[in-house]
Amino acid sequence: SQQGEEDPQALSIQEGENATMNCSYKTSINNLQWYRQNSGRGLVHLILIRSNEREKHSGRLRVTLDTSKKSSSLLITASRAADTASYFCATTQGAQKLVFGQGTRLTINP
Amino acid sequence: DTEVTQTPKHLVMGMTNKKSLKCEQHMGHRAMYWYKQKAKKPPELMFVYSYEKLSINESVPSRFSPECPNSSLLNLHLHALQPEDSALYLCASSPGLLGGYEQYFGPGTRLTVT
Repeated sequence: SQQGEEDPQALSIQEGENATMNCSYKTSINNLQWYRQNSGRGLVHLILIRSNEREKHSGRLRVTLDTSKKSSSLLITASRAADTASYFCATTQGAQKLVFGQGTRLTINP
Repeated sequence: DTEVTQTPKHLVMGMTNKKSLKCEQHMGHRAMYWYKQKAKKPPELMFVYSYEKLSINESVPSRFSPECPNSSLLNLHLHALQPEDSALYLCASSPGLLGGYEQYFGPGTRLTVT
């Protein structure tokens, strides 16, 4: 079963704009991760945020976590064409199982 | 070396064929994973190996048979597959389990069953 639901399913913006995507989940978590997948390729880990953290930054990425609302958001600032990809949130079920959300397909238009 | 490699990149097989997918990592990771991903869907976990032992089997049909010959290698043996098994098969590894680790993914094998 898929724990995370992402919103929006697809997002198209102009280069240089900011992109925000959201993830909601159903059960308690220890951490939440975000991954990027370029078309038809493997996933790349972007950032991991623990349940006791509220915000985390990595370069142009900013992730927030609200455990009371069971939601997280990923903000990409000053978007570039190379950011075009699908973005997935993922939560851990039990000790070993990573469950991915449905993903957001982001298109950056030049 | 922070890379997970997978071979082959593409595979076309008939329903009566037997083939194998291979995955390799040299990061010293002790957990390795197989995922299946259909088009425009998220990856779905199939198997987890921890310290070379099968830890999780997500009720995968027996026509998929995983094998972990050593700590660096992970195989997925395929036999009598169905057309609906066509998908991108992703291998991943992580330093350990317990859900606190990022996973490193290979580029995947695009499988087509005819």
